[in-house]
Amino acid sequence: QQQVKQSPQSLIVQKGGIPIINCAYENTAFDYFPWYQQFPGKGPALLIAIRPDVSEKKEGRFTISFNKSAKQFSLHIMDSQPGDSATYFCAARAGRGYNTDKLIFGTGTRLQVFP
Amino acid sequence: DAGVTQSPTHLIKTRGQQVTLRCSPKSGHDTVSWYQQALGQGPQFIFQYYEEEERQRGNFPDRFSGHQFPNYSSELNVNALLLGDSALYLCASSFQKTQYFGPGTRLLVL
Repeated sequence: QQQVKQSPQSLIVQKGGIPIINCAYENTAFDYFPWYQQFPGKGPALLIAIRPDVSEKKEGRFTISFNKSAKQFSLHIMDSQPGDSATYFCAARAGRGYNTDKLIFGTGTRLQVFP
Repeated sequence: DAGVTQSPTHLIKTRGQQVTLRCSPKSGHDTVSWYQQALGQGPQFIFQYYEEEERQRGNFPDRFSGHQFPNYSSELNVNALLLGDSALYLCASSFQKTQYFGPGTRLLVL
């Protein structure tokens, strides 16, 4: 119940394509779902986040779609660029009553964008 | 405004040794969390500190311990190092829930 399942493990797209990364969870107490981008040798950087009462959120070229009933959420990268090549992690945070901000991460998706 | 900083950047130790890693949170952040990231995996929660107390702990043995100082900076200590402790150790600071990560400390245990 504490897991976040992420797919695919790797993704290759051409410049301008729209890669989509999917995540699923079981625990309905999760109340906050961030996405992080990580380059080799660096720490994860927060990209965008969503709460379960919102079905979609856009920030620049990044969009999160959230399906509360299916307990699934996904990241879409519009007009992808070679500089977007990185590993992407979805995460979920346990909500009220857990007295913590602990994040549970997916296993990551390695994205490669070719020119 | 400085982000989350960690030291050292890299560290090599041998089995059985002890190690201390350090983290300075973003200005204004009062909560520090530590994560372990093995190669090719997502970060795994170790523990979180708030008001100098350990608030929650993940599934890590007692060899992993920590501390938070009055200025909110934090240390992670690992005793009796094992080969399997080789990983990137990440510190994240937060204020009102959003966590920001530092660059990490790469620990290699030989």
